[in-house]
Amino acid sequence: GQNIDQPTEMTATEGAIVQINCTYQTSGFNGLFWYQQHAGEAPTFLSYNVLDGLEEKGRFSSFLSRSKGYSYLLLKELQMKDSASYLCAVRVDTGGFKTIFGAGTRLFVKA
Amino acid sequence: NAGVTQTPKFRILKIGQSMTLQCTQDMNHNYMYWYRQDPGMGLKLIYYSVGAGITDKGEVPNGYNVSRSTTEDFPLRLELAAPSQTSVYFCASMKLQVPGQPQHFGDGTRLSIL
Repeated sequence: GQNIDQPTEMTATEGAIVQINCTYQTSGFNGLFWYQQHAGEAPTFLSYNVLDGLEEKGRFSSFLSRSKGYSYLLLKELQMKDSASYLCAVRVDTGGFKTIFGAGTRLFVKA
Repeated sequence: NAGVTQTPKFRILKIGQSMTLQCTQDMNHNYMYWYRQDPGMGLKLIYYSVGAGITDKGEVPNGYNVSRSTTEDFPLRLELAAPSQTSVYFCASMKLQVPGQPQHFGDGTRLSIL
């Protein structure tokens, strides 16, 4: 089956760095996405990895190891507005392209 | 740009009632998706469509139906509403041809079945 695991909650301090891990077991892997979702809002796209390695976008970086079924999202210089849920999602090709979402990691940023 | 538009934003239904959640996109995207999100959980795929006239089941299709008569519209139908269908429903669209193209989400429909 298709399965994605990520921690339920994390807490970090404003200005610090936090790493959110994601492990997955899927078939038909076609890319890994990270989305940010504030409470009561729709998910918004943060990053995409399809090849192994690190992708950097400003304060956010995402890493992928396909052989290990592992990804992480790195958030630097944390701000209070970064308090949100972070969803790890894997796109799979099973004859049509679908995206499987993890349950999300709720990040609390404290002053 | 309107993007992905969902209506209604909120709805309360009685058990056994039926309704249609509307979703339309103006980006000429070929793929469209319906998800439900229960409190504190991730998104579960209900149905998806790769283009007009083509639909397929996702992870949790029971109790729902869809149609895709045009590229723009992808309505989700609940025939006999049940309390277990209380959730937030998100519609999303995507154009696959661009590598790394993410899904674009609507603002969601918050549905309560009482």
